[in-house]
Amino acid sequence: DAGVTQSPTHLIKTRGQQVTLRCSPISGHKSVSWYQQVLGQGPQFIFQYYEKEERGRGNFPDRFSARQFPNYSSELNVNALLLGDSALYLCASSLVGAKGNTIYFGEGSWLTVV
Amino acid sequence: GESVGLHLPTLSVQEGDNSIINCAYSNSASDYFIWYKQESGKGPQFIIDIRSNMDKRQGQRVTVLLNKTVKHLSLQIAATQPGDSAVYFCAENPPGYKLSFGAGTTVTVRA
Repeated sequence: DAGVTQSPTHLIKTRGQQVTLRCSPISGHKSVSWYQQVLGQGPQFIFQYYEKEERGRGNFPDRFSARQFPNYSSELNVNALLLGDSALYLCASSLVGAKGNTIYFGEGSWLTVV
Repeated sequence: GESVGLHLPTLSVQEGDNSIINCAYSNSASDYFIWYKQESGKGPQFIIDIRSNMDKRQGQRVTVLLNKTVKHLSLQIAATQPGDSAVYFCAENPPGYKLSFGAGTTVTVRA
């Protein structure tokens, strides 16, 4: 069975540009979360979606937005990119959006902003 | 939620020995904890989880211990192998939907 899949795996953007990252959860999983991981640090929570509704948001500016589609896939959008947005963006899925559900991560999308 | 931390940033262990990775958390309301392994260039890989109504859980070659009194979590890896070299993260699930991660411990296995 396929795990959490993310695309693209690597991308380079220029400051001020916009980026869209995509995620497909594990088959049957209805909850998707997004995390940002800066080099040398642990992942930081950005968003969680369950049944197409935002259930949680981390301490990130409004330049970051996301959505979940009827097939439970998700997109993360970042506008007006800054150099500091360079990071590994991780998507995670779980069966439902409740606490205590095992959360599985994808391999991530490496974003470099120049 | 941001105070999950590991006691040591690096751990060097001889192949075949047992490894113990420690983690302290600060949110006493957290009731679910997960250990992840992250190899270079990859996403975090689920290892084992434990709920707060348990103090020990075993998997294949791994054991997680939870001490809620002192808010401490540990991961024990038996007979450490070269493939165990990675960064290990503990994550807690406080009230809400997010996981809070520490900075990670880098484990290096010596041949």
